Amino acid sequence: DAKTTQPPSMDCAEGRAANLPCNHSTISGNEYVYWYRQIHSQGPQYIIHGLKNNETNEMASLIITEDRKSSTLILPHATLRDTAVYYCIVSSHPYGQNFVFGPGTRLSVLP
Amino acid sequence: KAGVTQTPRYLIKTRGQQVTLSCSPISGHRSVSWYQQTPGQGLQFLFEYFSETQRNKGNFPGRFSGRQFSNSRSEMNVSTLELGDSALYLCASSLALLGTGQETQYFGPGTRLLVL
Repeated sequence: DAKTTQPPSMDCAEGRAANLPCNHSTISGNEYVYWYRQIHSQGPQYIIHGLKNNETNEMASLIITEDRKSSTLILPHATLRDTAVYYCIVSSHPYGQNFVFGPGTRLSVLP
Repeated sequence: KAGVTQTPRYLIKTRGQQVTLSCSPISGHRSVSWYQQTPGQGLQFLFEYFSETQRNKGNFPGRFSGRQFSNSRSEMNVSTLELGDSALYLCASSLALLGTGQETQYFGPGTRLLVL
């Protein structure tokens, strides 16, 4: 089972910030939080990841709470092309690499 | 740097046949993971190969198998195809330095398999 929970869907107006929440209350100390998105059944696209500090790149910002039990992905100025399913994943690797995908959040950016 | 490539992109097979899918990882990546995506079950992990060894395996029957070559390229095979095997099969490659934050998986475009 996925170690994360996300709302099934969200809407955002074009040009506004999209804030996508994720709960990962059972995260362990050395586990990272990864965000991916998938558009029209293409391969998932990496967005950003972090351990405990907030992170920012050209695509998005990742805010992780101090207790690390939740995080928020922020798309600062959403465009129609950001409409996709967004997945929050906690890396879990006792025996090797294995990303467990939940159902994600379907973000609809509205004109 | 070239991304992850998968061949073929589309495939139609009939029940009972077998199929082999191929994945070429990003240069320098030693880990290749395979995933199955269906509308009903979502994205599910099949297995991961690292340095030619299967290091992790999901909960799929033995009809699903894979291998990795010395150049890190990987193949997965599905024998005795069933209708329910119709899916998008995704391959992802990674440096897989576990626990370091360098585990980012980069996905290919997928192979869409239709079993009739």
